[in-house]
Amino acid sequence: ILNVEQSPQSLHVQEGDSTNFTCSFPSSNFYALHWYRWETAKSPEALFVMTLNGDEKKKGRISATLNTKEGYSYLYIKGSQPEDSATYLCAPRSNAGGTSYGKLTFGQGTILTVHP
Amino acid sequence: DAGITQSPRHKVTETGTPVTLRCHQTENHRYMYWYRQDPGHGLRLIHYSYGVKDTDKGEVSDGYSVSRSKTEDFLLTLESATSSQTSVYFCAISESGAGGANTEAFFGQGTRLTVV
Repeated sequence: ILNVEQSPQSLHVQEGDSTNFTCSFPSSNFYALHWYRWETAKSPEALFVMTLNGDEKKKGRISATLNTKEGYSYLYIKGSQPEDSATYLCAPRSNAGGTSYGKLTFGQGTILTVHP
Repeated sequence: DAGITQSPRHKVTETGTPVTLRCHQTENHRYMYWYRQDPGHGLRLIHYSYGVKDTDKGEVSDGYSVSRSKTEDFLLTLESATSSQTSVYFCAISESGAGGANTEAFFGQGTRLTVV
């Protein structure tokens, strides 16, 4: 089982604030890192899939970076809006071989609340 | 939207009874997953499948079994339901092939199960 840690567990910010959170994972046998956004009463939706050390991805006001050597990824939200309120999940994928290749295990998530 | 359907969407069952949840996909994706949603734990992997008749355990597999007799269907069975299995269950699918680990997972709408 991949040991995935996300921090902080929850975060409250004001509208317009920029914020970031962290996903830490084992750097050995790294294959890919997924970020998902999960709104209350909905299903999780993918934000980014990242594979290369130093990768940076951006979607609107949300961006992510990846450091595979030290085993972490940052998710940034610039100018947070109330509609950004959600749980943000990360999931590393391993190439340790065998059936672990397809396994997708999530961190416990960071719950973001953006106050108007 | 990915073609993935969970049934039933809601179910109330009694302690000790068997329950089967169904996940159906029309995308011909290789990997299928069952998760449960738990406060403070995000999404926890119950079982996953990497092909027809090929399944493996996740983090919280005790009390659950799965079957995949054809590509499009992945069944989750609670052998003897307990109150601790009251949760929202999500099915997910992802692509196969060399880029399989780099492609995002798509989630079903969720099944709310209450064990009384």
